[in-house]
Amino acid sequence: EAGVTQSPTHLIKTRGQQATLRCSPISGHTSVYWYQQALGLGLQFLLWYDEGEERNRGNFPPRFSGRQFPNYSSELNVNALELEDSALYLCASIRRTSGSYEQYFGPGTRLTVT
Amino acid sequence: AQSVTQLDSHVSVSEGTPVLLRCNYSSSYSPSLFWYVQHPNKGLQLLLKYTSAATLVKGINGFEAEFKKSETSFHLTKPSAHMSDAAEYFCVVSDAGGTSYGKLTFGQGTILTVHP
Repeated sequence: EAGVTQSPTHLIKTRGQQATLRCSPISGHTSVYWYQQALGLGLQFLLWYDEGEERNRGNFPPRFSGRQFPNYSSELNVNALELEDSALYLCASIRRTSGSYEQYFGPGTRLTVT
Repeated sequence: AQSVTQLDSHVSVSEGTPVLLRCNYSSSYSPSLFWYVQHPNKGLQLLLKYTSAATLVKGINGFEAEFKKSETSFHLTKPSAHMSDAAEYFCVVSDAGGTSYGKLTFGQGTILTVHP
């Protein structure tokens, strides 16, 4: 079974630009979660998508947004990039119908804002 | 609201000696608890999970954790450390209810160093 995949592995942007990060969940998983792991701030919940809808978001400004496609893959968009957006962005997926809360994580996208 | 406190930011052990990584949690609902490990420049790997079944949970690579409701603790242990265990470990809680479904709250992490 293929795991969660994320692309790109690394992304370098300049302040003010937009970044797009992509995530493909494990086959059969319908929920996708995004997390930010910034130096000194730990892992923080960003967004949760399930069945194409945004179900919950963490304490992040609206310039962090995303969507989930019919095939359950997901995209995270970060607009008007700021230096402090530099972080490892992790995507995770879950099979809600299993009743399990166990999330499977991808390898992450490292975003560097200069 | 849920929260997790990992009591040690760094733990250093010698190879072959026991490992203890401490975690306390707070949750409004019946929580699910997890330990994840992250090796340098890698994603997160699930070590073990507690979901209201047996209070002593066995995971991969010889790790185990005991859920103690009275102490609101979920400490991670391993009888004998291996060099490959050197990594950062995260204690995680997930509430079962409503819009928090599946939302994970992470502790700040404990970096485990294993000396030869």
